[in-house]
Amino acid sequence: IAGITQAPTSQILAAGRRMTLRCTQDMRHNAMYWYRQDLGLGLRLIHYSNTAGTTGKGEVPDGYSVSRANTDDFPLTLASAVPSQTSVYFCASSDTTDTQYFGPGTRLTVL
Amino acid sequence: QKEVEQNSGPLSVPEGAIASLNCTYSDRVSQSFFWYRQYSGKSPELIMSIYSNGDKEDGRFTAQLNKASQYVSLLIRDSQPSDSATYLCARRGAQKLVFGQGTRLTINP
Repeated sequence: IAGITQAPTSQILAAGRRMTLRCTQDMRHNAMYWYRQDLGLGLRLIHYSNTAGTTGKGEVPDGYSVSRANTDDFPLTLASAVPSQTSVYFCASSDTTDTQYFGPGTRLTVL
Repeated sequence: QKEVEQNSGPLSVPEGAIASLNCTYSDRVSQSFFWYRQYSGKSPELIMSIYSNGDKEDGRFTAQLNKASQYVSLLIRDSQPSDSATYLCARRGAQKLVFGQGTRLTINP
């Protein structure tokens, strides 16, 4: 059982480029989340999905989009990357007790 | 006022002592609270969840919740160097968890 996987592990991206961060879980959790973590700012929610086919905006959604075509996958897309999107991105899923399980993270650098 | 507040630290504790981590929150209707541990360069992992007032113990860890005073704490007994990490407090909000900034804990041998 892998839990939650994220890809890529790290990426250096030129500003203005499009980038999709991948997230897959095999726990059959309905809810999934995308966070960014920046030094001094903690974990901030970007987007979430309570179930396949639905998505919602979190605290910092601007510049990001998500889709939830099925239960397992929850990709995060940066349509046109900017340097302020340099961060560590974590995907998470939660079970019925609201416990969230995090993926290993993607370290993204936008130059 | 931040929804969930933690002292960012660093908090330095000698090995074998009790480490006490505190968290306050502003939403009186919150019912579920969580403590996550995050090692440097790694993802957060759940240590404890607590839903009722009082104490909840799991091994060397004790979570304490006081809804009237709106705080939740985590005690780590017999602290070990392997406990050195950042500890994140979170409360259940509307359809999501709200995290504090985390407290960096260092256990000194």
